[in-house]
Amino acid sequence: DQQVKQNSPSLSVQEGRISILNCDYTNSMFDYFLWYKKYPAEGPTFLISISSIKDKNEDGRFTVFLNKSAKHLSLHIVPSQPGDSAVYFCAASGTQANAGGTSYGKLTFGQGTILTVHP
Amino acid sequence: KAGVTQTPRYLIKTRGQQVTLSCSPISGHRSVSWYQQTPGQGLQFLFEYFSETQRNKGNFPGRFSGRQFSNSRSEMNVSTLELGDSALYLCASSWPGQGGYGTKNIQYFGAGTRLSVL
Repeated sequence: DQQVKQNSPSLSVQEGRISILNCDYTNSMFDYFLWYKKYPAEGPTFLISISSIKDKNEDGRFTVFLNKSAKHLSLHIVPSQPGDSAVYFCAASGTQANAGGTSYGKLTFGQGTILTVHP
Repeated sequence: KAGVTQTPRYLIKTRGQQVTLSCSPISGHRSVSWYQQTPGQGLQFLFEYFSETQRNKGNFPGRFSGRQFSNSRSEMNVSTLELGDSALYLCASSWPGQGGYGTKNIQYFGAGTRLSVL
């Protein structure tokens, strides 16, 4: 059961245009969402996040939108640059009470979208 | 500030052996989580440690175990290795102890350990 889905395996965009990456989730208990960028043979790099109490968060060229009723989030990159070419993962987390204490540290990831920005 | 450090970067083992991977979190971070990345299953959560206690565990067999030390460094161990354990193992740290809502949830990843089981 895939709780976080990125339905587009790949996206190709021209330099200077907007890149829009999409992500859907099914678990209503998720209350925090993150986007990571990953190059081969490296760990994911944190880009931007949003909590469920907001519907938009902006950081430079990156904006994340959250539509809770649709259980959908998107990452907008404007303008896109060739250096943005990488795999992008969305991830979700929720507060979970366990025997060892309250856990915030479980991220559920989507399958990733390969973004290619052409010069 | 140094990032998350994982050692070794690459490892080759044979079936049936065991392996220990190490992770040093960002200074001041007290939570460490481990993930496995494979082409077929993507990034999957293994377990989370905070103050030497396991707080959460993913859906992996008991051959996968971990621990955290008093300095927040963490190790994960895989016993009786199988071919399917070949993967990139990633460690992430979080909990800088300050900031508003959601800060606790931002995890910073190391470069990973690439494990090949032959």
